[in-house]
Amino acid sequence: ELKVEQNPLFLSMQEGKNYTIYCNYSTTSDRLYWYRQDPGKSLESLFVLLSNGAVKQEGRLMASLDTKARLSTLHITAAVHDLSATYFCAVDPKSMNYGGSQGNLIFGKGTKLSVKP
Amino acid sequence: DSGVTQTPKHLITATGQRVTLRCSPRSGDLSVYWYQQSLDQGLQFLIQYYNGEERAKGNILERFSAQQFPDLHSELNLSSLELGDSALYFCASSAGVSYNEQFFGPGTRLTVL
Repeated sequence: ELKVEQNPLFLSMQEGKNYTIYCNYSTTSDRLYWYRQDPGKSLESLFVLLSNGAVKQEGRLMASLDTKARLSTLHITAAVHDLSATYFCAVDPKSMNYGGSQGNLIFGKGTKLSVKP
Repeated sequence: DSGVTQTPKHLITATGQRVTLRCSPRSGDLSVYWYQQSLDQGLQFLIQYYNGEERAKGNILERFSAQQFPDLHSELNLSSLELGDSALYFCASSAGVSYNEQFFGPGTRLTVL
């Protein structure tokens, strides 16, 4: 069974602190996505990681991908209250039949981040 | 705003009923995906259509069906509804059939009473 595991599932941080969210996946994939979801809202695309060693940064968030370890990280630097949301990683698995993308995404359970003053 | 539209935003219905959820993809996108988000199951892929043809199927119940029309909008039909079908249903679209970033619509919140 294809699995995408995020940890932690809940994260309460103080403003100004740093923390890392981890995303492990069990299938072969060379493409990983990070999304943000505010309560009752849609999913907003944050990062698209396309290859081993990919690193992308936007503001206080930085994402990386290690396809050999099947691990992605989302690092939060100097957290602020506006970052409070649920963060999902999603994997685009390779097809077992033809090695290309299956197209659909497999999501982790999400990490609910709460940043307190 | 992702450019993907979904209607209705909210839907309240009774068990045993049938509903239709509608999705219009971003301009130029040929693929449409349907996902279900619930507290116990998380975000689950249901089905994908590409240019009118079914391309991939996930954990979609037999009571559920979907189609994509020539104008590329898609509908998800849910029948014989059960309490457990209450969830947020998202539509996403992408340019191609695979290896493309997916953009999510605002979702339809379905409540089955």
